[in-house]
Amino acid sequence: GNSVTQMEGPVTLSEEAFLTINCTYTATGYPSLFWYVQYPGEGLQLLLKATKADDKGSNKGFEATYRKETTSFHLEKGSVQVSDSAVYFCALSENTNAGKSTFGDGTTLTVKP
Amino acid sequence: EAGVAQSPRYKIIEKRQSVAFWCNPISGHATLYWYQQILGQGPKLLIQFQNNGVVDDSQLPKDRFSAERLKGVDSTLKIQPAKLEDSAVYLCASSFMTSNEQFFGPGTRLTVL
Repeated sequence: GNSVTQMEGPVTLSEEAFLTINCTYTATGYPSLFWYVQYPGEGLQLLLKATKADDKGSNKGFEATYRKETTSFHLEKGSVQVSDSAVYFCALSENTNAGKSTFGDGTTLTVKP
Repeated sequence: EAGVAQSPRYKIIEKRQSVAFWCNPISGHATLYWYQQILGQGPKLLIQFQNNGVVDDSQLPKDRFSAERLKGVDSTLKIQPAKLEDSAVYLCASSFMTSNEQFFGPGTRLTVL
């Protein structure tokens, strides 16, 4: 079956530091890839997505590139802010099979001033 | 635009009792998902509806869990009887039929004592 593996957390950074959260996946076919974010006390919300190989998703200064050759979708941000403190989930969705989704276990990011 | 609504937000029950959760998706979203999120893990898909038909319930423990989506809009998820290991947050999400971008509700936190 499909699976998503995220780097284990928690991750603690100082403000303005560079962020990378690793995500690799196993899937049949060519899924769409997503990063969702869950801020404290809120529900999951889509941060960015990529639907095919070499696509780059970006939003709020975050970026991730769909790498088919390494089956990866690493999340990056050049300069994190305190407000980026949240739990980040990598996910995939099959483009067939009714779009069945699989999520990673999440990475908790804490940014200190 | 109103988001995905869920109720109740919190529920505490004793093992062997029954419980039901309700979800109202975003208007126009044909696809509805129920996820179980155990503390420290990512969401696990329990069941996926397209309109009022089930497209995937392979991970739903059918001996105790049931779900329905009458008229292709609202949905209820029921657990009967509950076990200690059912303690989790139950998330509802919805999407347009032609999209795999999911919109999540705030979730229901269930504690089974």
